[in-house]
Amino acid sequence: GAGVSQSPSNKVTEKGKDVELRCDPISGHTALYWYRQSLGQGLEFLIYFQGNSAPDKSGLPSDRFSAERTGGSVSTLTIQRTQQEDSAVYLCASSPIEGAADTQYFGPGTRLTVL
Amino acid sequence: AQSVTQLGSHVSVSEGALVLLRCNYSSSVPPYLFWYVQYPNQGLQLLLKYTSAATLVKGINGFEAEFKKSETSFHLTKPSAHMSDAAEYFCAVSLGFQKLVFGTGTRLLVSP
Repeated sequence: GAGVSQSPSNKVTEKGKDVELRCDPISGHTALYWYRQSLGQGLEFLIYFQGNSAPDKSGLPSDRFSAERTGGSVSTLTIQRTQQEDSAVYLCASSPIEGAADTQYFGPGTRLTVL
Repeated sequence: AQSVTQLGSHVSVSEGALVLLRCNYSSSVPPYLFWYVQYPNQGLQLLLKYTSAATLVKGINGFEAEFKKSETSFHLTKPSAHMSDAAEYFCAVSLGFQKLVFGTGTRLLVSP
């Protein structure tokens, strides 16, 4: 079946612009996660969705970052007023249910470059 | 706080040699532990996971890992490396919270 998909695969933007990154999880998966992968910080957790609600936003680095999920499916991560330190690969993952032992299935990521 | 430490940012082996990638965790409660692999320009793929059912866990592509509580370790091994195993490998821990905490990764280089 189809895996997690993300769009765009690459995004180049100018400092100060807003960007939206999209994630389509595996159909039927109730949990959805966003991570960021950068050279300096490794893989960092950003936010977790259970259905359409986000019980854990602890990893969002600043108030410029926000995310939503609609219909228990697609999620959008928005970064406002982008900064060069936002340059990274943004990874989305989904899992069937919300359990600590559940496998998270990752998408290919969106590579964001802020000039 | 729970965390994982991966020793060695790079590991080089010859094709056919044993692969050993090290992971140590810190946790005050029994953890769930994962190994993921990332090929260039791709997302992460699960190799195997430990969920307390068995201490020796077998995964895909011939990899396995052994959970050793006394050593707080979960090292990844493969008896014979293939060129296709060249990738970055991440150890991760989940402790009942709906997120994974990753190690810094180990890049495996396989030479002919």
